[in-house]
Amino acid sequence: GQNIDQPTEMTATEGAIVQINCTYQTSGFNGLFWYQQHAGEAPTFLSYNVLDGLEEKGRFSSFLSRSKGYSYLLLKELQMKDSASYLCAVLDSNYQLIWGAGTKLIIKP
Amino acid sequence: GAVVSQHPSWVICKSGTSVKIECRSLDFQATTMFWYRQFPKQSLMLMATSNEGSKATYEQGVEKDKFLINHASLTLSTLTVTSAHPEDSSFYICSARDGTESNEQFFGPGTRLTVL
Repeated sequence: GQNIDQPTEMTATEGAIVQINCTYQTSGFNGLFWYQQHAGEAPTFLSYNVLDGLEEKGRFSSFLSRSKGYSYLLLKELQMKDSASYLCAVLDSNYQLIWGAGTKLIIKP
Repeated sequence: GAVVSQHPSWVICKSGTSVKIECRSLDFQATTMFWYRQFPKQSLMLMATSNEGSKATYEQGVEKDKFLINHASLTLSTLTVTSAHPEDSSFYICSARDGTESNEQFFGPGTRLTVL
């Protein structure tokens, strides 16, 4: 079966750094997405990795290791507005997005 | 950038009525549109995938006669929840892919459905 695992909830302090991990087992791989979702809103795109390595975009970076079936989202200089759920999703061999359950990130002052 | 709109953003209806939700790609042609449902504190659950001009492909467990999907044009897909019941109350989100090499899905803002 297809499976994506990520922690249910994480807590971090404003100004700090947090890493949200995602491991996956899917039928085929055509890329991995990270989305941010605030409560009551639709997801918004953060990053897309299809090759191994680190992609940096401002305060957010995303890493992928295809051989390990592993990705992480790194958030630096945390701000209160970063409190949200972060969803990991893998595009499988049929180009369907397989979603993780999401990681709720709580930022404390 | 690619923008997807949904209408209405929220709707309250009586049990037994039907509700139509529209999803539009505003500045690109969406060859494929997706309909998701999300219950509180849960992840997105794909309901169906639709390609313009063809019948939607429904996920296992999703009743195609209850959730009618029409993707009549490259910029519009509709989801009709027929004979809605309180258990259909949920957050319905559409997304669209533009058919280019980018595999990104662009999400609409979602529709909050409450069935009384």
